[in-house]
Amino acid sequence: AQSVTQLDSQVPVFEEAPVELRCNYSSSVSVYLFWYVQYPNQGLQLLLKYLSGSTLVKGINGFEAEFNKSQTSFHLRKPSVHISDTAEYFCAVSDLGFKTIFGAGTRLFVKA
Amino acid sequence: DVKVTQSSRYLVKRTGEKVFLECVQDMDHENMFWYRQDPGLGLRLIYFSYDVKMKEKGDIPEGYSVSREKKERFSLILESASTNQTSMYLCATHDIDRGEGSPLHFGNGTRLTVT
Repeated sequence: AQSVTQLDSQVPVFEEAPVELRCNYSSSVSVYLFWYVQYPNQGLQLLLKYLSGSTLVKGINGFEAEFNKSQTSFHLRKPSVHISDTAEYFCAVSDLGFKTIFGAGTRLFVKA
Repeated sequence: DVKVTQSSRYLVKRTGEKVFLECVQDMDHENMFWYRQDPGLGLRLIYFSYDVKMKEKGDIPEGYSVSREKKERFSLILESASTNQTSMYLCATHDIDRGEGSPLHFGNGTRLTVT
């Protein structure tokens, strides 16, 4: 069985500061890894994904994530955040089947 | 762009009522999913469907059923709503033709309150 742990439920940060949102997963098989973002009163949208190849993945809005197989982690980073990045972020894994498992989410608060 | 439309943004229902949540997609995707989202718990899979009239239980199917009579429409049914079903419900689709690693596409959600 797979599981996803997001290590921080809330992350407050000042505008233009760097941020890292942490995600660890467990799985007995190869998985695909995703980060989704949810802005207030909206559904989730894809931020980035890792399928194979280069372990550093770049996504939309300046975000990137690094896949670390030995540590089973997929942390999300941005070097300089904006007020508009305030949202909830979900790490997710899926295997060769149809199911995607989500973490509990991390609320990012960007303060002026 | 994929469009996933959930018919209601907000619903308020009474305990014991039968509730229908509707989801329609316009991209001919085979796979459709219903998740519920609760604070601190993330998204949990209720049911999914990989074809018309086909359905599979997810992780928390108790108290729910689904219907998929047409490819584009996937309905979630609460047979007898209870207060512990107050939640945000999210519909999603997945295009299997693009491979297992293709992402989910979500609707904007239905926030259901059961009183």
